[in-house]
Amino acid sequence: EVQVLESGGGLVQPGGSLRLSCAASGFTFSSYAMSWVRQAPGKGLEWVLSISSSGDITYYADSVKGRFSVSRDNFKNTLYLQMTSLRAEDTAVYFCAKVGGNDWYFDHWGQGTLVTVSS
Amino acid sequence: DIQMTQSPSSLSASVGDRVTITCRASQGISDSLAWYQQKPGKAPDLLVYGIFRLASGVPSRFSGGASGTDYTLTISPLQPEDFATYSCQQYYSSPLTFGGGTKVEIK
Repeated sequence: EVQVLESGGGLVQPGGSLRLSCAASGFTFSSYAMSWVRQAPGKGLEWVLSISSSGDITYYADSVKGRFSVSRDNFKNTLYLQMTSLRAEDTAVYFCAKVGGNDWYFDHWGQGTLVTVSS
Repeated sequence: DIQMTQSPSSLSASVGDRVTITCRASQGISDSLAWYQQKPGKAPDLLVYGIFRLASGVPSRFSGGASGTDYTLTISPLQPEDFATYSCQQYYSSPLTFGGGTKVEIK
């Protein structure tokens, strides 16, 4: 069974940093691109960034470019999201999502982890 | 960026009804369109990809279609477990973008 499990969310002050992790199991992690998608309270889904299966290609939404970075450890089957210079508008549930094969839709999602940016 | 305009934002329907939700893409996206179902406090679940391909385990009462740059998700007949929020997503080009969501409520 495919599973992805996020961790690392919490309360952080504006300008602060946080690192999220996503532990994957039930599939060959190194064969699939992965993404982070967020959802602000009461709002719709917003794609944040994606990383290729090997980790050598990354894509970022303009809203996080230069502040967030993504990486993966294919030996530990883990995806990471490093967030810096956090703003109030980054407050959201952050979902880790497995990309479906060769196309960039999301066929499995984690349960999400809440990041709250507030003083 | 490709904008996905989803309508309606909410609707009320009864069990057994036929419900159609539409997403309009601001430019051509070929067949790169997916639909997700999300229940309160839960992660989204993939329903449809490639316009009309049902994800594994998705009941056949869900169907996807397209006409030009308009994409549809139809649920027929509506079941009690289908009351949820539905969102479309284009994956034709980066940035990947979602529609604003449609909340399907019980009439």
